[in-house]
Amino acid sequence: QQPVQSPQAVILREGEDAVINCSSSKALYSVHWYRQKHGEAPVFLMILLKGGEQKGHEKISASFNEKKQQSSLYLTASQLSYSGTYFCGTDRLPAIRSSNTGKLIFGQGTTLQVKP
Amino acid sequence: DADVTQTPRNRITKTGKRIMLECSQTKGHDRMYWYRQDPGLGLQLIYYSFDVKDINKGEISDGYSVSRQAQAKFSLSLESAIPNQTALYFCATRQPGTSRTDTQYFGPGTRLTVL
Repeated sequence: QQPVQSPQAVILREGEDAVINCSSSKALYSVHWYRQKHGEAPVFLMILLKGGEQKGHEKISASFNEKKQQSSLYLTASQLSYSGTYFCGTDRLPAIRSSNTGKLIFGQGTTLQVKP
Repeated sequence: DADVTQTPRNRITKTGKRIMLECSQTKGHDRMYWYRQDPGLGLQLIYYSFDVKDINKGEISDGYSVSRQAQAKFSLSLESAIPNQTALYFCATRQPGTSRTDTQYFGPGTRLTVL
């Protein structure tokens, strides 16, 4: 039930781009993306509710392919502040597809390190 | 003041002891959650509550119990702590709605060590 994230770890130089993927074996209602700095609470980045929707936040954007049950997070022109662990949280469709289950199940995380 | 607070922030206890972790929120959200984080395993859902009378088990509820004392308070208890419950524990709140409002907010976390 836990979504699978890839890659597990990424090392970048400042200014480089990265893509983090999140795949689920279940039909999804929404995908949430979070970033966590070491020892701190996860911080919300964005939510994707509709299939094919792409949202953006500064140089960080994401897409959601509802049919493939996948989401991707795009980090462009990375900055040192982007370092941390990125988690996707999935809220899947229940058997009665009138709404979501109301609980987020998180992937195992992708550790991103940006070097000068 | 923080919207979601957790007490204590750090706790060291011994095997077999009963311990309670507390969470309070001022966001007015109905839904509250407890997660556990171990290195390399992400965030695992322990229990969640959609309102005071609705409490549900998550993925890893064995060895834990919860109490929703009020809309704003959700406590996690370890009746008899064991060393493999050593972890970072997060409380979270959420008020689903449109894509602009459906955000899950996390507390600062409680680092629990069971010796």
